[in-house]
Amino acid sequence: AQKITQTQPGMFVQEKEAVTLDCTYDTSDPSYGLFWYKQPSSGEMIFLIYQGSYDQQNATEGRYSLNFQKARKSANLVISASQLGDSAMYFCAMREGRSARQLTFGSGTQLTVLP
Amino acid sequence: EPEVTQTPSHQVTQMGQEVILRCVPISNHLYFYWYRQILGQKVEFLVSFYNNEISEKSEIFDDQFSVERPDGSNFTLKIRSTKLEDSAMYFCASSGWDNEQFFGPGTRLTVL
Repeated sequence: AQKITQTQPGMFVQEKEAVTLDCTYDTSDPSYGLFWYKQPSSGEMIFLIYQGSYDQQNATEGRYSLNFQKARKSANLVISASQLGDSAMYFCAMREGRSARQLTFGSGTQLTVLP
Repeated sequence: EPEVTQTPSHQVTQMGQEVILRCVPISNHLYFYWYRQILGQKVEFLVSFYNNEISEKSEIFDDQFSVERPDGSNFTLKIRSTKLEDSAMYFCASSGWDNEQFFGPGTRLTVL
């Protein structure tokens, strides 16, 4: 089974609108962390947001928020007030286990913001 | 703002040759990583390194691969005898005690 599933290969959003990128995960370890990274066409990987499995509140970083639904094993990224510069590939990733550090990535969602 | 740097940005090599990819992690970070991304595919973990030894590695990281921290600042990935399927973008990352892994800009390796 896939550890991280991103079911939306491509998404379009109008500038200034909000958009939700889906991510579901699969783990039996009670301690894990969920990450979102942005990869623009230039290729670098930019860290956006982190959510720990024991965190009580949903993580937020500026225009990014993580809709963490533990029972459903989902960690959707919400981008508010989309900007043209948000057009990029977005990857969800997971770290499993208290001491583990390796990240397992999903296949990504290509977001295009339309003017 | 501190950042992870990688050199070269693009490396072209012949099949069977050895390559060394270089990274300078963020200076006060303790954990170092290599990931790779074959064109159009997901990012895959290769290896993590802490306290001068490998702490985790994936199935991809076989005997052809090795990592080293030759001095206090550099972190290298060596591929002994490159294969065509090693062609990919290789990312170095580093982190401190917290969970955020900061990635470098990547080295695009092309094996001919």
